[in-house]
Amino acid sequence: DAGVTQSPTHLIKTRGQQVTLRCSPKSGHDTVSWYQQALGQGPQFIFQYYEEEERQRGNFPDRFSGHQFPNYSSELNVNALLLGDSALYLCASSLFGGRAGTQYFGPGTRLTVL
Amino acid sequence: AQKITQTQPGMFVQEKEAVTLDCTYDTSDPSYGLFWYKQPSSGEMIFLIYQGSYDQQNATEGRYSLNFQKARKSANLVISASQLGDSAMYFCAMREGLRGSQGNLIFGKGTKLSVKP
Repeated sequence: DAGVTQSPTHLIKTRGQQVTLRCSPKSGHDTVSWYQQALGQGPQFIFQYYEEEERQRGNFPDRFSGHQFPNYSSELNVNALLLGDSALYLCASSLFGGRAGTQYFGPGTRLTVL
Repeated sequence: AQKITQTQPGMFVQEKEAVTLDCTYDTSDPSYGLFWYKQPSSGEMIFLIYQGSYDQQNATEGRYSLNFQKARKSANLVISASQLGDSAMYFCAMREGLRGSQGNLIFGKGTKLSVKP
């Protein structure tokens, strides 16, 4: 049973550039959520996708955008990168109609902005 | 307003002993879910245990149990018979609403657990 996968593992960008991160959900899951985790902090919710639509969004600027594909995989795009965007980006998958809706996380993508 | 509070930035425990990691939460929604995750240094968040607000019994998963005290709004994680591999960051999280459709997790700042041989 394949778990949540993310790519790439690490990424180094410079300020002002754009980045795309990718996520494939756990088999059987239909919902993908993205989180940003700064060093020494708990993860912060960015947004959630279900049926190829953004369903909920956290307190992040519209430089952060996403997409979900028909196979439930998802992308997170960040434009005009700032130094403060350096963080671990975690993708989590879940079942939208599930009783507990437990979110299972991938290994993350570590983004460094120079 | 911070909704999840973990007051122990770091904890030490001797191998084979039990340890309790504290978590308090704040919500006005009567329906909510509480989760604990483990994050090793590799970065992946590993789901450990879940407790729904209407669940009558405390949740247990192997060596993990959740001490749920609803009136005190606390959801402490108990790890029995600690192992060296338990050394990691532990995060308490809450979702308002009981269904997966009801959205995002709110995390605490975490507790770093170190298991001594």
